[in-house]
Amino acid sequence: DAGITQSPRYKITETGRQVTLMCHQTWSHSYMFWYRQDLGHGLRLIYYSAAADITDKGEVPDGYVVSRSKTENFPLTLESATRSQTSVYFCASSETGGAFFGQGTRLTVV
Amino acid sequence: QKEVEQDPGPLSVPEGAIVSLNCTYSNSAFQYFMWYRQYSRKGPELLMYTYSSGNKEDGRFTAQVDKSSKYISLFIRDSQPSDSATYLCAMRDSGGSNYKLTFGKGTLLTVNP
Repeated sequence: DAGITQSPRYKITETGRQVTLMCHQTWSHSYMFWYRQDLGHGLRLIYYSAAADITDKGEVPDGYVVSRSKTENFPLTLESATRSQTSVYFCASSETGGAFFGQGTRLTVV
Repeated sequence: QKEVEQDPGPLSVPEGAIVSLNCTYSNSAFQYFMWYRQYSRKGPELLMYTYSSGNKEDGRFTAQVDKSSKYISLFIRDSQPSDSATYLCAMRDSGGSNYKLTFGKGTLLTVNP
């Protein structure tokens, strides 16, 4: 299917565990983004990428790592999960227009 | 001062009403303006995309940008219960090497049948 796909849709993990959220897009968009959405904070940018092998920090990057070895994939890793990272995570991609979002991953850290 | 301010609502209107949603911003470098609709437990969906000042119409939706006042609006005519969602404004500068968006916190809209 064309579009942007996130997996898993739901994840429960324990404090201190490493967890990776996957994002795959089929449009060959150059730009990809990871946002987290929390009540009272709205959407906040974690990391973004302008092309394969080019990534940069957003507003709230601490505790997260990204990579982009292929244009279509942009995984987000929580190196050692904390309860404050409980959130809904959205991946997005864009070219020259607005960004298109995936359906989100609801992550709970217990 | 936040870069983008958006009244969180909630906003409740009867079916058929005209809805006005607004955002203000402080960064004069913003050139591109977007409105997203987000249904509960779904990802944001791009509704409108505009460049610089002016109006853009798409069906029942009209986006307005007033860069001199740093103010953008989304109007929904003949609102329907299916329009009930959270509406997010977003904006970015001219790009350069990134296209990252800055979002408002969203306005929750309920259209009552």
